[in-house]
Amino acid sequence: SQQGEEDPQALSIQEGENATMNCSYKTSINNLQWYRQNSGRGLVHLILIRSNEREKHSGRLRVTLDTSKKSSSLLITASRAADTASYFCATDAGTGNQFYFGTGTSLTVIP
Amino acid sequence: DTEVTQTPKHLVMGMTNKKSLKCEQHMGHRAMYWYKQKAKKPPELMFVYSYEKLSINESVPSRFSPECPNSSLLNLHLHALQPEDSALYLCASRDTNNEKLFFGSGTQLSVL
Repeated sequence: SQQGEEDPQALSIQEGENATMNCSYKTSINNLQWYRQNSGRGLVHLILIRSNEREKHSGRLRVTLDTSKKSSSLLITASRAADTASYFCATDAGTGNQFYFGTGTSLTVIP
Repeated sequence: DTEVTQTPKHLVMGMTNKKSLKCEQHMGHRAMYWYKQKAKKPPELMFVYSYEKLSINESVPSRFSPECPNSSLLNLHLHALQPEDSALYLCASRDTNNEKLFFGSGTQLSVL
């Protein structure tokens, strides 16, 4: 399977706290993306980091990438109840056309 | 218009039925995807179309038959499905110059 692994599987935090989730993958990549999914809905793209980048920021999101360890992390700062969702990393397995999703982290932000 | 529209939103079908799922986008994206997602699991890649041609089939059973009639439309024809095929079926599209996927809201399929 091309699928990556994410941890933790589930994360519950208080509003205002930071949330960190990790993704490990198996093959070489061109880029790694993070998506968010509200229950039973489609996925929404959050941020993309290329294989030659180590860190990227977008608003309250910070993504890091360590290609030597084949891992990435997503940090959401100052979390809000509206951030409650599942978060998935996705890699292209070096193909540029096929995108495979990690196992996901279910985040609950308690108001 | 940055939407990917999937119809129907819900579908219940028997194992002997034939049905089709529809996906439409008007963003000019030339890559389109079908994913299958079981509850509390990640989306699994099924098919990739590139410039209306099937480029990837992830060893999907033949009871699932994709079709891309034009650059805006993607169908998934279903026949003789099994109860274990019950899942959320997601369509996505992508500009071939960009890696970002745009997803529809999905079709929740139940096979009885």
